[in-house]
Amino acid sequence: AQKITQTQPGMFVQEKEAVTLDCTYDTSDPSYGLFWYKQPSSGEMIFLIYQGSYDQQNATEGRYSLNFQKARKSANLVISASQLGDSAMYFCAMIGSYNTDKLIFGTGTRLQVFP
Amino acid sequence: DVKVTQSSRYLVKRTGEKVFLECVQDMDHENMFWYRQDPGLGLRLIYFSYDVKMKEKGDIPEGYSVSREKKERFSLILESASTNQTSMYLCASSGREQFFGPGTRLTVL
Repeated sequence: AQKITQTQPGMFVQEKEAVTLDCTYDTSDPSYGLFWYKQPSSGEMIFLIYQGSYDQQNATEGRYSLNFQKARKSANLVISASQLGDSAMYFCAMIGSYNTDKLIFGTGTRLQVFP
Repeated sequence: DVKVTQSSRYLVKRTGEKVFLECVQDMDHENMFWYRQDPGLGLRLIYFSYDVKMKEKGDIPEGYSVSREKKERFSLILESASTNQTSMYLCASSGREQFFGPGTRLTVL
């Protein structure tokens, strides 16, 4: 069975600092995709970044990068130069090759950025 | 821009009532999903649909049903609402990535 684990219920970071949000996964699918979503207090889920299991390079999108370590089955999100607006819940999710686009979510990490 | 809309942001219902949550997407996606989100549990898949009139159970389908009569619309139905169905309900549709609606916070009294 597929599983996503986020072990940090909450994280604090000072503005302009970098922060890493941890995500480990478990799957037996040969090919899979990993996602990070941001959920601000307004409730909507905002797609941030995607990493395919066969992608040779780690994904980057602006200030977001995904530290993908396949052998360790980890897909940590790195946010550089944190901003106050980054304060939100962050969810790691996975999609498997056999799962008809079904996403499996972790329990989330609440990030608080302070001045 | 992809748009996924949900009929209500906040809803309060009484135990035993029938509840309809509507979701509409405008990107011609075939796949649509209903999740519920609870603190400490993340998002859990209730049902999904990969085509009109096609549906599959997710991880927690008990107490729910769905309807997909048109490609753009996916409805979640609580036949007889119970207090343990108080939750945030999120609808999504997907190409490669899933696009989410704003969510409906349902309270069952």
